[in-house]
Amino acid sequence: NAGVTQTPKFQVLKTGQSMTLQCAQDMNHEYMSWYRQDPGMGLRLIHYSVGAGITDQGEVPNGYNVSRSTTEDFPLRLLSAAPSQTSVYFCATWVYGYTFGSGTRLTVV
Amino acid sequence: AQKVTQAQTEISVVEKEDVTLDCVYETRDTTYYLFWYKQPPSGELVFLIRRNSFDEQNEISGRYSWNFQKSTSSFNFTITASQVVDSAVYFCALSDQETSGSRLTFGEGTQLTVNP
Repeated sequence: NAGVTQTPKFQVLKTGQSMTLQCAQDMNHEYMSWYRQDPGMGLRLIHYSVGAGITDQGEVPNGYNVSRSTTEDFPLRLLSAAPSQTSVYFCATWVYGYTFGSGTRLTVV
Repeated sequence: AQKVTQAQTEISVVEKEDVTLDCVYETRDTTYYLFWYKQPPSGELVFLIRRNSFDEQNEISGRYSWNFQKSTSSFNFTITASQVVDSAVYFCALSDQETSGSRLTFGEGTQLTVNP
């Protein structure tokens, strides 16, 4: 039982490049979400999904896309990376409390 | 709009001291949920506690205790006899009834350093 698995752990992108942050869970949880963590700002919700085929925007959705084709996977896409997207990204599933992945540290130069 | 304030950005204590982390929240909802999470230096986020707005009983779990007071909109977290392993960033978070906790508003976090 791996819980929530995020890949990659570290990534450096150039401005304008695209990439996908992967998130997979093996707990059969319906609810999944993506947060970003910036210094001094806590965690902020980007997008979330309440089940396969259903996604919605959180507090800071601009510049990010998501899809949920299966219960297990919830990828986060950056279509055109910007330096403002330099952050640590956490994927999480929810039942009674959040189970977070280990995070992806993204740097956009 | 919901808001969580953790006014203590950093706290430094010596091992075995007691330490209280403050959390003040704002919400217009009558039913809501409060949480604490721990983020050790390794970076993962660990769920500590969830409390709903109708349950004002204080809770104790080992060296950890939580004091929820609706009258002052506070949900403070106390570590008794702190240990070096308690060094981490601690986040308080709030959600509303509709989402029942699945969408959280986090505070900015308090960096706790416990020195030997």
